[in-house]
Amino acid sequence: EDQVTQSPEALRLQEGESSSLNCSYTVSGLRGLFWYRQDPGKGPEFLFTLYSAGEEKEKERLKATLTKKESFLHITAPKPEDSATYLCAVRVFSGGYNKLIFGAGTRLAVHP
Amino acid sequence: NAGVTQTPKFQVLKTGQSMTLQCAQDMNHEYMSWYRQDPGMGLRLIHYSVGAGITDQGEVPNGYNVSRSTTEDFPLRLLSAAPSQTSVYFCASSPLGRGQSNQPQHFGDGTRLSIL
Repeated sequence: EDQVTQSPEALRLQEGESSSLNCSYTVSGLRGLFWYRQDPGKGPEFLFTLYSAGEEKEKERLKATLTKKESFLHITAPKPEDSATYLCAVRVFSGGYNKLIFGAGTRLAVHP
Repeated sequence: NAGVTQTPKFQVLKTGQSMTLQCAQDMNHEYMSWYRQDPGMGLRLIHYSVGAGITDQGEVPNGYNVSRSTTEDFPLRLLSAAPSQTSVYFCASSPLGRGQSNQPQHFGDGTRLSIL
């Protein structure tokens, strides 16, 4: 069964304290891995797409990496405005269509 | 350019009532979809559409109905609301043309629905 697991569920950091969020997946036929940011009361906002093992993408303080079984979202010197829930999703072909399978997310709180 | 617009933002229903959640996008995207988001769980696909007149079921379609008469609009209907349908509902869209099948989905800001 296709599955996406994110850890930790919640993470509290001090401003400037770097860390990583994990997204592990067991799927047949990965067609892309997506990272989204979700602020309270808002819809998910796209951050990155990764397609193949070894690929990396960067945006400001965020860097996403991909292996054959997991992806990491590295946050370097985070600021309070990085506080949000970070969602990981994998795209697979199943039941005749491409579908996104989401993890439950990691709630990140960055304190000054 | 508004992106994906969902209405209403909040709604309270009684068990057995019906209602329609509206979703509109102005990006001329072929693919549109509805998800529900529950605490501790990932977003789950309810229904999706790959173009006007074409819809299909996702992983949790029971109790919901959709139609797609135009490219822009993709309403979600609750036929007879149940407390288990209390959730936050998100609509999303993406392009689906040649070479675009891996484009990310753009999400609306959701409809928070409570069924009493």
